[in-house]
Amino acid sequence: EAGVTQFPSHSVIEKGQTVTLRCDPISGHDNLYWYRRVMGKEIKFLLHFVKESKQDESGMPNNRFLAERTGGTYSTLKVQPAELEDSGVYFCASSQTRLAGTYQETQYFGPGTRLLVL
Amino acid sequence: DAKTTQPPSMDCAEGRAANLPCNHSTISGNEYVYWYRQIHSQGPQYIIHGLKNNETNEMASLIITEDRKSSTLILPHATLRDTAVYYCIVRPYYSGNTPLVFGKGTRLSVIA
Repeated sequence: EAGVTQFPSHSVIEKGQTVTLRCDPISGHDNLYWYRRVMGKEIKFLLHFVKESKQDESGMPNNRFLAERTGGTYSTLKVQPAELEDSGVYFCASSQTRLAGTYQETQYFGPGTRLLVL
Repeated sequence: DAKTTQPPSMDCAEGRAANLPCNHSTISGNEYVYWYRQIHSQGPQYIIHGLKNNETNEMASLIITEDRKSSTLILPHATLRDTAVYYCIVRPYYSGNTPLVFGKGTRLSVIA
């Protein structure tokens, strides 16, 4: 079974440009999360999709970030316009919906996209 | 913010057991302890989780103190491939599908 995949693996852009990151979750996983680690900081949550709906977007830093998950399959995260402080590693994770009576949720992470804004 | 405290770094000789401590003194009765790790250039990887009993799987063992204020992740025979940053995360057991809150973790270096 294929794991979570992310594209591109690396992206170098100039300040003010637009970049779109893509995440393909594990097939059948309704939950999709975006996280990021900026230089020297901890991994931080950005947002959570359940199928095509945004369940929680409390971690989105500002309105320059737009996430979509049309059709409830893959997701894109667009940064427009990119700023220097957006540089970092963007991770995507997916998981199955918790079954009634169970509490454990394992999130499976992709390898990340390394974004460098110059 | 993360509710756990971990040493920033540890070394372990290859083939020996790696014991990674985690302090979670404010843990609530309804919170699990999860462990993830991030190997360089990869995404975080789930290792194990527990509520109050000790747990073991093919990757590691988790020992939780009786008062649940701390735990230890044990890698019984560390290999060079276990070199990674290890994260101890506390999550409510009823939360189901919610974000993970990462702290700074412990950077484990396994030395040949």
